[in-house]
Amino acid sequence: LAKITQPISMDSYEGQEVNITCSHNNIATNDYITWYQQFPSQGPRFIIQGYKTKVTNEVASLFIPADRKSSTLSLPRVSLSDTAVYYCLVGGQRSNTGKLIFGQGTTLQVKP
Amino acid sequence: GAVVSQHPSRVICKSGTSVKIECRSLDFQATTMFWYRQFPKQSLMLMATSNEGSKATYEQGVEKDKFLINHASLTLSTLTVTSAHPEDSSFYICSARDHWGGLNNNNNEQFFGPGTRLTVL
Repeated sequence: LAKITQPISMDSYEGQEVNITCSHNNIATNDYITWYQQFPSQGPRFIIQGYKTKVTNEVASLFIPADRKSSTLSLPRVSLSDTAVYYCLVGGQRSNTGKLIFGQGTTLQVKP
Repeated sequence: GAVVSQHPSRVICKSGTSVKIECRSLDFQATTMFWYRQFPKQSLMLMATSNEGSKATYEQGVEKDKFLINHASLTLSTLTVTSAHPEDSSFYICSARDHWGGLNNNNNEQFFGPGTRLTVL
């Protein structure tokens, strides 16, 4: 399984763009990169997933360089409600077990 | 769509009793469900993979006789914590993998339940 490294915590202010970088040096060819968000006492919520280059949806963008050894989750104009733990996960495709192994995550604190 | 529910959301029990937690996929079929445990200020720890119609696969260090998993249908998996002790107090979360591959063709997308807070006295 790919070893994942992401910052333990980050602080930001409302309205700012937040970029959280995740390192996954030994990512396998078939692995996808997925980000989840978790609020206290709730289950994680899917944010975005990508394989290479850039993916954008209504809540975030995911930037993946050509070597795929890292990825950056970008949250545009964060608000107080974006305060949460963000997990970067690397996992295989539909055909395998589908196991997701969570790392320590990044605790994002958005301040007014 | 893609909603996963858990019941109960919160349970308090006495030491030595057994507690059953249900995980349901409400609007999709899930051949595979996963059970996680999360202690305060820590990340989710995968306990086991539950496959419909077959035995669960447990992660290393998780006692299969203590944490009984049953996945009898494509929409329901249950986790029973047997002979619960205070150290089993935790937040238990399930997730379900869409049988047909996930919304928007996202590979490996899992949908998580809201969690069950177990407190063993």
